[in-house]
Amino acid sequence: DSGVTQTPKHLITATGQRVTLRCSPRSGDLSVYWYQQSLDQGLQFLIQYYNGEERAKGNILERFSAQQFPDLHSELNLSSLELGDSALYFCASSVDPYPTDYYGYTFGSGTRLTVV
Amino acid sequence: AQTVTQSQPEMSVQEAETVTLSCTYDTSESDYYLFWYKQPPSRQMILVIRQEAYKQQNATENRFSVNFQKAAKSFSLKISDSQLGDAAMYFCAYRVTSGSRLTFGEGTQLTVNP
Repeated sequence: DSGVTQTPKHLITATGQRVTLRCSPRSGDLSVYWYQQSLDQGLQFLIQYYNGEERAKGNILERFSAQQFPDLHSELNLSSLELGDSALYFCASSVDPYPTDYYGYTFGSGTRLTVV
Repeated sequence: AQTVTQSQPEMSVQEAETVTLSCTYDTSESDYYLFWYKQPPSRQMILVIRQEAYKQQNATENRFSVNFQKAAKSFSLKISDSQLGDAAMYFCAYRVTSGSRLTFGEGTQLTVNP
């Protein structure tokens, strides 16, 4: 157990629907990152939050949004889902906004999203 | 933009033998980290080894070592005495020291044959 908790582990939904993925960071970590792993795009960075504020943005579609709550958990909202959104969505966390310790990030085990 | 390339989609090795996974990267930054991550069938992303660009000495973690060639922008991973548990997808990754996002390569699927 890495200490980063992602729920649900698996999600199957239909095209056009909206889903919410949840991430609880490791205890003491203030920064949360979201990554998408798909067959087409590989592993790519979506967005980072630090202590409730958006810190960095990557290749995140406009149909996707995220937020970090006061208790530091984060949610990734995916709407108007398309078949191509099927992927493994990882959350990671770190203490600092720019990870400095050896491990840098701690990854969760991911949410497998299947859009049918 | 920074890019990371892994030119070997698949590799295989016999148990107890040595295998080297290749990675090249492109960046204009001078201060950065390079990583190798392992992703077994459990999907968990596990850090194998980290190299700071300012260090000339190659990083080593037990059976895992890297060959870091900064001028050539090359960062290969050597796994010695391969074990069945080493079978996984291996990702090379880059992060600028002052940044937070990881840029990953395409991955190399490693099979370990008994």
